[in-house]
Amino acid sequence: DAGVIQSPRHEVTEMGQEVTLRCKPISGHDYLFWYRQTMMRGLELLIYFNNNVPIDDSGMPEDRFSAKMPNASFSTLKIQPSEPRDSAVYFCASSLVHPEQFFGPGTRLTVL
Amino acid sequence: GENVEQHPSTLSVQEGDSAVIKCTYSDSASNYFPWYKQELGKRPQLIIDIRSNVGEKKDQRIAVTLNKTAKHFSLHITETQPEDSAVYFCAAHSGGYQKVTFGIGTKLQVIP
Repeated sequence: DAGVIQSPRHEVTEMGQEVTLRCKPISGHDYLFWYRQTMMRGLELLIYFNNNVPIDDSGMPEDRFSAKMPNASFSTLKIQPSEPRDSAVYFCASSLVHPEQFFGPGTRLTVL
Repeated sequence: GENVEQHPSTLSVQEGDSAVIKCTYSDSASNYFPWYKQELGKRPQLIIDIRSNVGEKKDQRIAVTLNKTAKHFSLHITETQPEDSAVYFCAAHSGGYQKVTFGIGTKLQVIP
């Protein structure tokens, strides 16, 4: 298994642009998580899905952020419009019923 | 919701010495406590975990202890090696949900 796959690995964009981050979870995992990591706030859970259904999005910072999971093998996190304070590393993780989470390599986002 | 506090934020030890990282949690219903290691520029990876029905768990040079009454748990690394240098995150998980709340992280530096 290739593990959790994220793309792109690096994204540099200008303020106001739309950013779309992508994630492919481990096959068979039925939970998917999106995290944001910054030096100041550490690892923050943004949203998580179970069987493609969003369960808890209380960590999504504001309406500029949205996440979808159209099927069991794909999820997106979209920021529109992006702002410099959105610069961070965004991780996707997946898990089975057992709570151990397997993280993807992350997407380093820089908003200029 | 759950609140996890972790300290110290940074820790430097001489190679061969022991390192201890401590975490406290607020939700008495939490019943699963994983520890993740994140090397520089890499993804977090689970290194050890403990469930609430166990007081201590050991895996080679790594051990975790849990005190449910006091609501705190600790990571112990013995005979530290330079490759132990990383950021370590504790986390707490409430039963019935996959949502895990992470501590802020501890940057461990092992000095050769």
